[in-house]
Formats: sequence, structure tokens, C-alpha cells
Amino acid sequence: GAVVSQHPSWVICKSGTSVKIECRSLDFQATTMFWYRQFPKQSLMLMATSNEGSKATYEQGVEKDKFLINHASLTLSTLTVTSAHPEDSSFYICSAATGVETQYFGPGTRLLVL
Amino acid sequence: AQSVTQLGSHVSVSEGALVLLRCNYSSSVPPYLFWYVQYPNQGLQLLLKYTSAATLVKGINGFEAEFKKSETSFHLTKPSAHMSDAAEYFCAYGNQFYFGTGTSLTVIP
Repeated sequence: GAVVSQHPSWVICKSGTSVKIECRSLDFQATTMFWYRQFPKQSLMLMATSNEGSKATYEQGVEKDKFLINHASLTLSTLTVTSAHPEDSSFYICSAATGVETQYFGPGTRLLVL
Repeated sequence: AQSVTQLGSHVSVSEGALVLLRCNYSSSVPPYLFWYVQYPNQGLQLLLKYTSAATLVKGINGFEAEFKKSETSFHLTKPSAHMSDAAEYFCAYGNQFYFGTGTSLTVIP
């Protein structure tokens, strides 16, 4: 149990376009979902925290207008990278939490912006 | 600010040798602490977590970690390394999971 999926797993897009990444908790309802970004050979950086039905809370330095997060239901959160540029190329990982102690991580989405 | 520090970005051990990956946390209160493993191009898999129930925490794949408040440490160990243990390991802190910088483990046959 406690499976989190991400779609797509890989995406290549042109500079200036927008990309949507979905994060789904497949067999449980998540009160909170988190979005992380990971650069090559580096750690995960928390981008934002989202609760179903409310606005996401963004970490300092993360542009909320560029990284749009929608948490439409207890099983789905989406991250949209708007007007993507090459510097947005990264590995994006989501997680879903059922409480304060436990997060279940998705397999990640690799974004390459040309 | 709350944080975790992982000493050693790269650790190499021989197959069958002891694995020791270091993590120190900074906080005045007992935290939630976690160890995760990440294989190439994959998400994170939870190895174990400390939530103040017991100081010695046993996880999956033979890993364990001991919470030492006096040393503010939560080091990860495994008695005998296996080739399949080669991966990136992250120590994480708190309920929003602030991650350490990671330690890449190489297992030498």
C-alpha cells in the first residue's frame, strides 16, 4: 500500500512552454502533498506544501507564479511549470503525507527544457 | 534553523564490510528523523524513521540507526555491505522533511 505515482516520468519541452506534472496517491488519501526539486548530484529542496482545497505554501525563493500548484482532491496534486526555461530543467519529486511522521514519495519526473 | 548535516558526500566500502553513514541534526528538541535511499533516476524509499519511541531503530534491508541525543547524531549502519546497497542516502529531519546533502555509497566487490 501507500503508493504515489507521478506522470509523466520524463518530459522534454521547448523553452517558453508550460508543463504539468501530476502526483497521485493511489491507495490512500493524503492530507498534504509536497513538491521537491532535485538537481543532479544534489539533495532534495522543498518547493511547496499543499493541502487539499487551499493555496499552496511556497518555500522562500520559490516563485509561486512560475510553479503553480493545484491540490484539487485528496489524491491529486499538480505542479505546472509555466513558461519553462532551461534552468528549470530538474528532477521534480512529489510526496503525499497521511500525518506528520510519514511521507510517501513518488518516483519523480525528469524535466528537460530545450 | 533546523537542519541535518551528512558528513562525507562519498563513502566506499568493500562488499561484506560495515557501512556507516553519518548524520547530525541541529535542534534543541527531539525531532523526527529519517533515512531514505535513492537509486539512480528513482524516487526515495524510506529505510527507517525515528519518532522517539526507541533510540535504536531497525529498518529495511538490514539497516539500522541509533538516535544519540548527547551527540545529536542519527548515524545509519549496516553490518555487512551488499552490492545492491550502492545508492544515494539521505538523512531527513522534521515533519516537512528537510534533507541533508546526501551520501553516495559505493560498494567495492
